[in-house]
Amino acid sequence: GAVVSQHPSWVICKSGTSVKIECRSLDFQATTMFWYRQFPKQSLMLMATSNEGSKATYEQGVEKDKFLINHASLTLSTLTVTSAHPEDSSFYICSAKESGAYNEQFFGPGTRLTVL
Amino acid sequence: DQQVKQNSPSLSVQEGRISILNCDYTNSMFDYFLWYKKYPAEGPTFLISISSIKDKNEDGRFTVFLNKSAKHLSLHIVPSQPGDSAVYFCAASFGNTGKLIFGQGTTLQVKP
Repeated sequence: GAVVSQHPSWVICKSGTSVKIECRSLDFQATTMFWYRQFPKQSLMLMATSNEGSKATYEQGVEKDKFLINHASLTLSTLTVTSAHPEDSSFYICSAKESGAYNEQFFGPGTRLTVL
Repeated sequence: DQQVKQNSPSLSVQEGRISILNCDYTNSMFDYFLWYKKYPAEGPTFLISISSIKDKNEDGRFTVFLNKSAKHLSLHIVPSQPGDSAVYFCAASFGNTGKLIFGQGTTLQVKP
């Protein structure tokens, strides 16, 4: 099946620093990638839709200047959490939708971010 | 505004028996539904999906039923195995946006 990787798998940073998370589709091209966030014992919440070669679209309530998304190629999207604060600590998961596919998505393993 | 709801946070089933996980939705525009399995600290794994034009889709031990009039879907796992123990999320989408709206998840425990 299709494989999506994320890097790093976990990161601990100091408050005020920026953290970049990479999402890669390893064996297929993804014109669209999605970024989700999951707080403990809660559902996955869609943050933004990342389209290759164009600006990301953000869900209501998600600050685009805080969560910078870049989708520079058909296999890579990055999420940068800028000036991270403890409340940004969460599990960030990306997914990739294969070009031409309907709505099935393949998810990465997630990145655990802890902001001290 | 929770558009996709999984009202049972947990379910415990004996090995070999049927597991039934339920999901309700409120938005009648949803036209595609998916079930994912998730282990702690991992991303969700796709299990099975169903289009709104169908009322049943089967794949091995997994069957998804859709009742559009009731805005309800369910995932049946039979026979249940201990390896099925995980959190199960239902998700819904509409159009070809790819945007998925997830339920809160149900933790399934299959006892040997």
